[in-house]
Amino acid sequence: ILNVEQSPQSLHVQEGDSTNFTCSFPSSNFYALHWYRWETAKSPEALFVMTLNGDEKKKGRISATLNTKEGYSYLYIKGSQPEDSATYLCAFPPADSNYQLIWGAGTKLIIKP
Amino acid sequence: SQTIHQWPATLVQPVGSPLSLECTVEGTSNPNLYWYRQAAGRGLQLLFYSVGIGQISSEVPQNLSASRPQDRQFILSSKKLLLSDSGFYLCARRDRDNSPLHFGNGTRLTVT
Repeated sequence: ILNVEQSPQSLHVQEGDSTNFTCSFPSSNFYALHWYRWETAKSPEALFVMTLNGDEKKKGRISATLNTKEGYSYLYIKGSQPEDSATYLCAFPPADSNYQLIWGAGTKLIIKP
Repeated sequence: SQTIHQWPATLVQPVGSPLSLECTVEGTSNPNLYWYRQAAGRGLQLLFYSVGIGQISSEVPQNLSASRPQDRQFILSSKKLLLSDSGFYLCARRDRDNSPLHFGNGTRLTVT
């Protein structure tokens, strides 16, 4: 059974602090790894799609790294702001179907002012 | 533009009533289209996806159905709603391999 795990489940961070969390996925037959941000009462927003081992992508204060050999990706947020409060989801397409995505349960990030 | 139009934004329906949610997309032709649901306190659940007109794949057996009568139109339906159908319904598109999903603004459905 293909599974993607995210940790921690939730995270409280002081405004201004930096933080990171993890997405673990099966390393065999890797195709791509997606990161999304989902704010309450809104729809998910794509952050990154990563395909290459060792890849690092950045969008403002948010960056992500990818290790396909060991099956993990880190998402980093530098200098957290209240607007960063959201659930961060990772997902990957199973090797036999690029149409679907298998989703993690998410890391809920709460920024304390 | 890769805009996704989804309506209505909110809907309250009695148990046993029918449902029709419509999603239309702009931009690239022949996108992959998806219906997702988030039930209260739960994560994203894929309901249906479509890789072309008239092609529907169902992920979860239930009383919902989907149709794609036109390239850029995706419809979610039910003949008789259940209380358990309450949730936040999201339409999404994906244009090619390794491109991200883009989501509509969603419909919050409450079945009473």
